[in-house]
Amino acid sequence: AQSVTQPDIHITVSEGASLELRCNYSYGATPYLFWYVQSPGQGLQLLLKYFSGDTLVQGIKGFEAEFKRSQSSFNLRKPSVHWSDAAEYFCAVGSYSGGGADGLTFGKGTHLIIQP
Amino acid sequence: NAGVTQTPKFQVLKTGQSMTLQCAQDMNHNSMYWYRQDPGMGLRLIYYSASEGTTDKGEVPNGYNVSRLNKREFSLRLESAAPSQTSVYFCASTTSGASYEQYFGPGTRLTVT
Repeated sequence: AQSVTQPDIHITVSEGASLELRCNYSYGATPYLFWYVQSPGQGLQLLLKYFSGDTLVQGIKGFEAEFKRSQSSFNLRKPSVHWSDAAEYFCAVGSYSGGGADGLTFGKGTHLIIQP
Repeated sequence: NAGVTQTPKFQVLKTGQSMTLQCAQDMNHNSMYWYRQDPGMGLRLIYYSASEGTTDKGEVPNGYNVSRLNKREFSLRLESAAPSQTSVYFCASTTSGASYEQYFGPGTRLTVT
């Protein structure tokens, strides 16, 4: 069965500093990987996704992520964070069978705090 | 185009009561999902419907039932609510093909006392 580990429960970053959120996955085949963001009391918004091809993927709001198969990682990065980036971030891996998309397995999330 | 909608937004139940959470999508997606979100646990898949007419169990199906009413609608039923089912419930949908990006509804916050 697939799994996702987000090692950091909380991360505090100063506004304007760079950010890296870690994600490690376990999946038997080529993974479909996602990063979602959730602001307090809100639903989930997709930041970016990886299916194949270029291992560096660009997303919305200036985020990017790099897929490293050898390390089973899909870390999220942003060169300069803004106060509005404070939120919960979830990494997820997709499971697919002949019938279609079986669902996402999520990590437990990383809570990002931005210091002024 | 409303995307994925869920009703109700909030609900309080007493232990043993039943209720149905409703979900609808207007994106003509084939697959629909129910997740629950608990503090420190991320989102966990309860049930899903890969296509109209099929449903399958996810990671945490106990205490729940689902109905794929048609291509647009996918409901989640709690027959006898328990305090352990206090959670935020999210519905999601996706279409088959190369994307598989899931679109999420705004969530239903359920409290069972």
